[in-house]
Amino acid sequence: GQQLNQSPQSMFIQEGEDVSMNCTSSSIFNTWLWYKQDPGEGPVLLIALYKAGELTSNGRLTAQFGITRKDSFLNISASIPSDVGIYFCAGPGDFGNEKLTFGTGTRLTIIP
Amino acid sequence: DAGVIQSPRHEVTEMGQEVTLRCKPISGHNSLFWYRQTMMRGLELLIYFNNNVPIDDSGMPEDRFSAKMPNASFSTLKIQPSEPRDSAVYFCASSSPLGLAVFRQFFGPGTRLTVL
Repeated sequence: GQQLNQSPQSMFIQEGEDVSMNCTSSSIFNTWLWYKQDPGEGPVLLIALYKAGELTSNGRLTAQFGITRKDSFLNISASIPSDVGIYFCAGPGDFGNEKLTFGTGTRLTIIP
Repeated sequence: DAGVIQSPRHEVTEMGQEVTLRCKPISGHNSLFWYRQTMMRGLELLIYFNNNVPIDDSGMPEDRFSAKMPNASFSTLKIQPSEPRDSAVYFCASSSPLGLAVFRQFFGPGTRLTVL
């Protein structure tokens, strides 16, 4: 089946640093989604990408849809404590329906 | 606007008992998804409905699990009998039927199930 590999698995950074994470697929995706999950809560949709090469921002977050359509990147600028959580990429697979495949997640920790 | 609503938020039960999890999707959304999240397996799709009809239940682990959507504003996930390995966080999500928004799933806060 389709797989989404996220890297890194975890990150430990200091407040104020920029963050980069990525997601790669074994097959072509036509939509990429980035979610964030806070402890004890459900994933929250951050950004949706629909076209290869698309670059979309949401505040300090910027995501890009890779040209090959097999990868996507999420950057967070000037990290703050509330950025802590797990970030998931997701995309509709070749199921021919609305099912999403989710990545394994990148856990972000901010060191005081 | 209210988001996806799930109840209960926490459920502790004993092995063999029946467990029913409830979900109210966002008004106007016509697709509803049930997920299970564990440390070992991550986020897994169990079943999803479109216009109240089950479309794909290939993720339902076994016959002990069943899901219903009697109307557009309510769905249940039932486990009978429950087992300790069912302990997990169960999420409900919904999405809109409008164009590409169909892939934008909005999640509820989850139900943390512990089976002793």
